[in-house]
Amino acid sequence: EAGVVQSPRYKIIEKKQPVAFWCNPISGHNTLYWYLQNLGQGPELLIRYENEEAVDDSQLPKDRFSAERLKGVDSTLKIQPAELGDSAVYLCASSVTGGAGTDTQYFGPGTRLTVL
Amino acid sequence: QQQVKQSPQSLIVQKGGISIINCAYENTAFDYFPWYQQFPGKGPALLIAIRPDVSEKKEGRFTISFNKSAKQFSLHIMDSQPGDSATYFCAASPRGGWGKLQFGAGTQVVVTP
Repeated sequence: EAGVVQSPRYKIIEKKQPVAFWCNPISGHNTLYWYLQNLGQGPELLIRYENEEAVDDSQLPKDRFSAERLKGVDSTLKIQPAELGDSAVYLCASSVTGGAGTDTQYFGPGTRLTVL
Repeated sequence: QQQVKQSPQSLIVQKGGISIINCAYENTAFDYFPWYQQFPGKGPALLIAIRPDVSEKKEGRFTISFNKSAKQFSLHIMDSQPGDSATYFCAASPRGGWGKLQFGAGTQVVVTP
């Protein structure tokens, strides 16, 4: 079974430029998450989708960040314009919500963003 | 404000030794406590998890101990191996694991040969 796929793996941009990250969740997973992971810190949730609906975007800085999951499968996270402080790893995770057991989240490898 | 506090920040253990990582929380709504393992360049992967109705859970060389009254839980890695060298994150979630996961800051574990 293929895991969560993210691209690109690395991105270097200059401040004020736009950037986009793409995530393809595990097949059949209806819930998708975007996390921000700063160096030496644990992941912090940015947004959670259940199917096409963003059910928790309270931590997403909406002045510069946007996300979409149009068909309830893959998702794009965008930053426009990027700031120096946005340099971090952006992780995508997916899970099956509504099934038995707990909401086990499976993470992708992340996109490491460097803003110069 | 970090809702889950993790310590130590890093630790070095010899092969065959025991690694112990501690976490503490304040939110009594938390009722699901997973541990994640992360290797460099990879995303976190679920290692083991516990609910507050038990005080201990063991899977292979990994054991979670849970103290509900103290609002603390810990991960013990027995017979540590070089392949266990990674960053370990504790986390907590309300609603039986269906709520938002709050992660600790992580512990970098290095197992020396």
